[in-house]
Formats: sequence, structure tokens, C-alpha cells
Amino acid sequence: LAKTTQPISMDSYEGQEVNITCSHNNIATNDYITWYQQFPSQGPRFIIQGYKTKVTNEVASLFIPADRKSSTLSLPRVSLSDTAVYYCLVAPRRAAGNKLTFGGGTRVLVKP
Amino acid sequence: SAVISQKPSRDICQRGTSLTIQCQVDSQVTMMFWYRQQPGQSLTLIATANQGSEATYESGFVIDKFPISRPNLTFSTLTVSNMSPEDSSIYLCSVEGQVDTEAFFGQGTRLTVV
Repeated sequence: LAKTTQPISMDSYEGQEVNITCSHNNIATNDYITWYQQFPSQGPRFIIQGYKTKVTNEVASLFIPADRKSSTLSLPRVSLSDTAVYYCLVAPRRAAGNKLTFGGGTRVLVKP
Repeated sequence: SAVISQKPSRDICQRGTSLTIQCQVDSQVTMMFWYRQQPGQSLTLIATANQGSEATYESGFVIDKFPISRPNLTFSTLTVSNMSPEDSSIYLCSVEGQVDTEAFFGQGTRLTVV
């Protein structure tokens, strides 16, 4: 059973806001929701982590409803350089050794 | 943040041979992780490497095929043994970050087996 489900791909245009929703119906009480970004020929890069409600940093915002069964990564005013694959993961806290299980990811293409 | 260097960045190898991939971290870390990313696919964890003990392998990966060394707290190697074209993938090294679910990844080693 997949831990997370997210769209395979999304297209957007420069300057638009991109929202990627991820389903994680079986999330455990001690799981965090975390998102990674991967550019071609590079390793994944941590973007943001949250447990509940809303988290915002300089790169993105993460919206988590009260039931935590889904989450939405929001990328404000995307540019061409935001074209990448975005992975949604659920993972327990560091004590579990940070074993990360990557799902399929969402391939985001930003067009001029 | 941790800076991870992997060598080689890419290689083309003959089937039946072995390749050893090196991972160097700029700080001491307890655990290092090795992932495989097949063409157009997501990442799959191969094993977790602790210094001073045998690596812990995930289901579907065995030590004879992917032997791992962890001689100190900043270095690890992954060997892909007796390679076949199905082993053509990107192999990535990773370490824990500061935030609970944060991890840092190397640039990866792109392996092509012919």
C-alpha cells in the first residue's frame, strides 16, 4: 500500500502559483509530512516539513488539514528554474533513523 | 548543511564487472544511506550504513550484490557487483540533516552497464 499519492505531472506558467496536493490516508501519529525537490542530474533537496496546520519558509508553504490525511505544497510565483520533480513523503522523527520512502513524485513543468 | 561528494559522477561499465562508488561527507555523521534511482523512476533505499557495524539492507537488496563499507564517520563505499544492464541507474548517497525529516543527498553516480 503506497504511503503517499500525488499527481504524476503538472504544467504551469511563470509567475503563477503551483499547488501540489498529496494524499497520505494512513499517516501515523508520529509521522511528519515532508517535501523534496529534485532537479535533473541532482540528488533530492529538502524543501519543507510540517506536522499540522500551515508551515511557510522562503521557498514554499505547506498546508495540512486537521485530519492530516492530505497536504498541499504551494510554490508562489514559479519561475522556469522551478521545473523539477517534487516528492511528498511521510516519515517519523529522527529517532527512526531518517529512512525515507519516496513515492512517485510530481513532475512540474514551468513554461514561459 | 552537509556537503556530500560522490565519485565517480558517472561511469560506463561492462557487464560482469564491479564498480565501487565513494561517498565523502564534510562532517561526521552516524548513519549514511544508499539509494538507487532507476531511469525515470523514484528513489529506492538500498541500505543503511553505520560506522563499525554491518550495513542493514532493505528488502530486495543483498550484501553479495551491493557490499557496503563504512570505515569512519565521514566516508562510505557502495560496490555494485557482477553488473548487468538492469543495474543501470543513478546511485545516491545520503545523510541526515538537522530537521527531523531532512536529508542531504550527493549528486549521484550515473551508472550505465553495457
